[in-house]
Amino acid sequence: DIQMTQSPSSVSASVGDRVTITCRASQGISSYLAWYQQKPGKAPELLIYGASSLQSGVPSRFSGSGSGTDFTLTISSLQPEDFATFYCQHANSFPLTFGGGTKVEIK
Amino acid sequence: EVQLLESGGGLVQPGGSLRLSCAASGFTFSSYAMTWVRQAPGKGLEWVSSISGDGARTNYADSVKGRFTISRDYSKNTLYLQMNSLRAEDTAIYYCAKDTRDGTYYLDDWGQGTLVTVSS
Repeated sequence: DIQMTQSPSSVSASVGDRVTITCRASQGISSYLAWYQQKPGKAPELLIYGASSLQSGVPSRFSGSGSGTDFTLTISSLQPEDFATFYCQHANSFPLTFGGGTKVEIK
Repeated sequence: EVQLLESGGGLVQPGGSLRLSCAASGFTFSSYAMTWVRQAPGKGLEWVSSISGDGARTNYADSVKGRFTISRDYSKNTLYLQMNSLRAEDTAIYYCAKDTRDGTYYLDDWGQGTLVTVSS
């Protein structure tokens, strides 16, 4: 099974900051990676798929990069509505697995 | 507009059974794979099971294999998860989710979730 390791597990940041979250796969997954945002009490929302493709309706301050085993989600200028938990998920093969999550908190 | 509405959650004793349903609308149900994802209280996301658009292919997490069965009814546009031999560790919010297109397993639409509590 492919394990997904996210870092950091939490980050404190201010509005306007640039935030970077990393996700590492235990083996190569090409570009079969998605990123989700989850706010408290809500279902996750898809932000990025195929490692770098922006889901329709998602603000352009979100971007994804990487391939193989190392991936990055970047928020270029953090907005108040971005404080949430972010998860990566590989879609390379079954079983699908999610990273442990990164909580972005207000500094 | 895509809508996914889960139901069927509740309190069940260890060893018991539940069937979750996910009523889908706003898209061509047979054209998309569907997935169940769960989230234990205060924890992260865990993939549970997926089924292809035509229903021919199903996959399960090891933690539920042999106990849970995923299925879909095209006449009702509904996804199901039959859960048997439930354990305390199955306690979670269960979400159904739709693929971006059949076979990608990127999840672009999610239901609101239904809570399953396994406790005596």
